[in-house]
Amino acid sequence: GQQLNQSPQSMFIQEGEDVSMNCTSSSIFNTWLWYKQEPGEGPVLLIALYKAGELTSNGRLTAQFGITRKDSFLNISASIPSDVGIYFCAGKTYTGANSKLTFGKGITLSVRP
Amino acid sequence: NAGVTQTPKFQVLKTGQSMTLQCAQDMNHNSMYWYRQDPGMGLRLIYYSASEGTTDKGEVPNGYNVSRLNKREFSLRLESAAPSQTSVYFCASSALTGAGNTIYFGEGSWLTVV
Repeated sequence: GQQLNQSPQSMFIQEGEDVSMNCTSSSIFNTWLWYKQEPGEGPVLLIALYKAGELTSNGRLTAQFGITRKDSFLNISASIPSDVGIYFCAGKTYTGANSKLTFGKGITLSVRP
Repeated sequence: NAGVTQTPKFQVLKTGQSMTLQCAQDMNHNSMYWYRQDPGMGLRLIYYSASEGTTDKGEVPNGYNVSRLNKREFSLRLESAAPSQTSVYFCASSALTGAGNTIYFGEGSWLTVV
């Protein structure tokens, strides 16, 4: 089946630093989504990307849909302690009633004050 | 706006017991999903319902059944719980849009089977 690769499993950064996370696949996706999950909560959508090459920002977060349609990245600028959480990428191969998301295994981000 | 609501939040079961996880969404979404989340495994799809009246198996359906009661509600049933079903369960929903249906998650149900 389709797989999305996120690595490393954990990242540790200093408050104020920028951080970049990649998500790669051997399959082509038509939609890329980035979610953040905080402890004890469900994943919350951060950014949705629908076109190859699309670059979208949400505050300090920027995500891009790779030109090859096989990857996406998420950048967080000027990190703050509340950025701590698990960041998941998710991809979808086609739209429609029976399309489903494939999730990466997530990257756990820790921010040192 | 409640979004996706699932109950219970926490549950402890004995092996062999049955239970149903309830999920409701108030966003008039067509599609609903049940995922489980385990350490190091990410989110895995158990069952989904593309629209009212239909259900389909996902990646890990064994040991589970689902019911799409109406457009709002999608329940997940464990007929005979096993310790391997100890997990965090997330219900989710999405609308059908031309640009791609974004999925919204509930807050999760923590299930322990002893």
